[in-house]
This record gives sequence, C-alpha cells and structure tokens, in this order.
Amino acid sequence: DGGITQSPKYLFRKEGQNVTLSCEQNLNHDAMYWYRQDPGQGLRLIYYSQIVNDFQKGDIAEGYSVSREKKESFPLTVTSAQKNPTAFYLCASSITSNTEAFFGQGTRLTVV
Amino acid sequence: GDSVTQMEGPVTLSEEAFLTINCTYTATGYPSLFWYVQYPGEGLQLLLKATKADDKGSNKGFEATYRKETTSFHLEKGSVQVSDSAVYFCALRVQGAQKLVFGQGTRLTINP
Repeated sequence: DGGITQSPKYLFRKEGQNVTLSCEQNLNHDAMYWYRQDPGQGLRLIYYSQIVNDFQKGDIAEGYSVSREKKESFPLTVTSAQKNPTAFYLCASSITSNTEAFFGQGTRLTVV
Repeated sequence: GDSVTQMEGPVTLSEEAFLTINCTYTATGYPSLFWYVQYPGEGLQLLLKATKADDKGSNKGFEATYRKETTSFHLEKGSVQVSDSAVYFCALRVQGAQKLVFGQGTRLTINP
C-alpha cells in the first residue's frame, strides 16, 4: 500500500528535551513538507523539501530542524528552543512542488 | 500575499440538509484550489480540486466550482450524512510557489 507513514501517533516529552518525529513515504514523491496544527487553527508550514539534500524554512521554522538524506524520509526534530512545542504535526508529500499534497495521519506531541 | 478565508464555524446541520461552506481567496498568481477534510484525530485527506477557472471539482457528493471573477471556491453538498462530520479546509497553491496556503478550517457537525 502506498502512502505516508508518521510515527509515533502520540508522543510525550519533558520540557527541554529534543524529540524527532518520523515521516516516511513510498509514493516516490519529490517534495515533502511539515505542518503544525494548533486547536481551531489552520495549518502552518514549518519546513519543506523539494529534492533530496535540500530543504527550506517555512513560516514558523524557529526551534525546528529537518534533514532529507533519502527521498522517502523527512524527519523533523523539535528542539528545546521551540517555545510552545505541544501541537499536532502533519507530514505531507507531493509529486512535485506544483501538485496537490497528500498527508500522513499526524503525530500529536505533548510536552510536559 | 496569498491567503484563504473560510466561513467561520462551527456549522451544525441535520442529516439530509443542504451544505455550503464558503471559501474566498487572495492570490499573487494563478492558483490551483483544493478542499481537504480532516476526521477526528487524523491527517488531512484531499476531497476535491480545481486547477483552472470554471473547473468543477467533485467527489463523494461534494462539489466546488472555481470562480475567478468572485475569487471563490465554495464547497456544497446536496444531502449531508452523519459521516460527513469533520473539519473542512480550503487551500490554494499558486503556480511556482512551494507551499499550500490553508484557511482556518470549518468544523461541521451533522446530527441524525
């Protein structure tokens, strides 16, 4: 089955710890994205990558980091510098950066 | 810049009622338009899309027409079901731009 897999579905971390969210796709898509969703709000872009070994900051990149060493993988690290990390994180991919995006099931991160 | 404005929710309807969720946009270039649906605790699923003016996207009984003259992409369904209860997001992507721009989402609840 082709798709986007995010893991874990729920993640709890203590304040001050870095945490890495996984995103894997087997759709052979070039472009991948990370969005953040807060209650009652739309989606805000954190980082995106058009091709392997290249990525750009989105609208709210501060306190986050990414890597794109393989086409199918785009992990997101939430660092201790992110002031308010508790949120629902969504990974997406698209064939190119000009086509519609397909989303994973999301990871709900809670920092206590 | 590019932006999407959706009608504020929440919207509550009875089963078999007619649904309209309004969406208007502002775009710096020529956009493709999308409707996504999010069921509780899940990621976003593409519901329908339209890539040029006067195109009508349709899926699962939902429809939306790309109206360039009114910069709108309203979502409609003739007879809603309880299973349509979800949050609906309108989104756009301008040709050549790297990201999807989302509205804030409209929560729809259908009562039996």
